[in-house]
Order: sequence, then structure tokens, then C-alpha cells
Amino acid sequence: AQRVTQPEKLLSVFKGAPVELKCNYSYSGSPELFWYVQYSRQRLQLLLRHISRESIKGFTADLNKGETSFHLKKPFAQEEDSAMYYCALSDNQGGKLIFGQGTELSVKP
Amino acid sequence: NAGVTQTPKFRVLKTGQSMTLLCAQDMNHEYMYWYRQDPGMGLRLIHYSVGEGTTAKGEVPDGYNVSRLKKQNFLLGLESAAPSQTSVYFCASSYREGTEQYFGPGTRLTVT
Repeated sequence: AQRVTQPEKLLSVFKGAPVELKCNYSYSGSPELFWYVQYSRQRLQLLLRHISRESIKGFTADLNKGETSFHLKKPFAQEEDSAMYYCALSDNQGGKLIFGQGTELSVKP
Repeated sequence: NAGVTQTPKFRVLKTGQSMTLLCAQDMNHEYMYWYRQDPGMGLRLIHYSVGEGTTAKGEVPDGYNVSRLKKQNFLLGLESAAPSQTSVYFCASSYREGTEQYFGPGTRLTVT
């Protein structure tokens, strides 16, 4: 079964500390993975996708097929990074997204 | 461009009442989706559409119906609302499979 797991409901760090939001997936095939972010009172928006292999707002994510993971990392967290982060897997039948449960990141001053 | 818009933003229903949520997009996207967001469960797909006149079931379709009569609109209907349908509903659209989905601002629905 296709599934996305984000084991941490809440991650709390201090400003300037490194951040890693975990995401594991199960998918039979070649996955397309995304990270979406929802800032307070705003709509979900794409943060990054594994195909583009780019860094957005200092965040990076590497697809590890051996460990079936797509963890999101940032070396130095900022207060404005506080938000809900969702890992998502694209089901290539109609482009449906399968979301993880979400991790709330709280960056304290 | 307004992107993806949703109407209404908030609604309170009594059990058994019906309502329709409207999603509109002005990006000429083929694909449209309805999700519900519940605490601790992430977003779950209710129904989706891969083009005008088409609809398909997602993960949690029971109690909902949809229609895509025009390419730019995707309607979500609740025929007989239940408290379990209290949630935040998000609409999204995308150009094609595997591309970025653009989300609406959400509709907060409470069923009492």
C-alpha cells in the first residue's frame, strides 16, 4: 500500500539550530515526492520536490530509495520557518497526492 | 490571477442539512482535487477530476458527491451532513500529473 509517514507531530528547536523533519514512504514504483508547507493562516504551498533538487528558503531534501526516506533539512532554523510541514507522494494515476500526517515545526527565539 | 478560490470560507450546518462547496481556478488546469484536513491525519483525498466532465473517488469519498461541469469549477456536495464531516476542506488544482498542486484557502465546516 502507498503510504507516507511523518513520525513527529511536533518538532521544537531554537533559532540557529539544525532541523530535520523526517518522512518515510512506501510505494511500488518510482516515487515523486514533495514537501508542502502551511504557514499560520495561509494556504498550503509547495516548498520543494525531489525532481528539482533545489534548495528553497535554505531547505533541502534528498530522496533515499534504499531507506525509502525523503527527510527535510535546514542547517540553521529561523523563527519564520515555524509552520506545518507535509510530506507528500504523488500517485501517478490522476496525480493524486498522498500526504503524511504533518509535522508542526516551532522555532523558538 | 486569483489562483484557486473557495466559497464559502466558513459554514456551520446542522446534522442532516446539505450544502455545496465551490472551488474555482483560473489557471486552465486540467486536474482538480478535494481534500479534507483533520488534526493528526494530514490531508486526505475525497474526490478528484482529471478533466471537465470527469470525477473519481479518492481515499474518503463516502458522504460526498462532486461535479465538474466546467473546467474551471469543481463542486463538492454534502447531501446529509454528519458531525464526522466537521473538517477543513481544501481544493487544489494542477496542470497535469506529478506537477505542483495549487491550493485554495480552505473552507472550515462545522456540523453540529
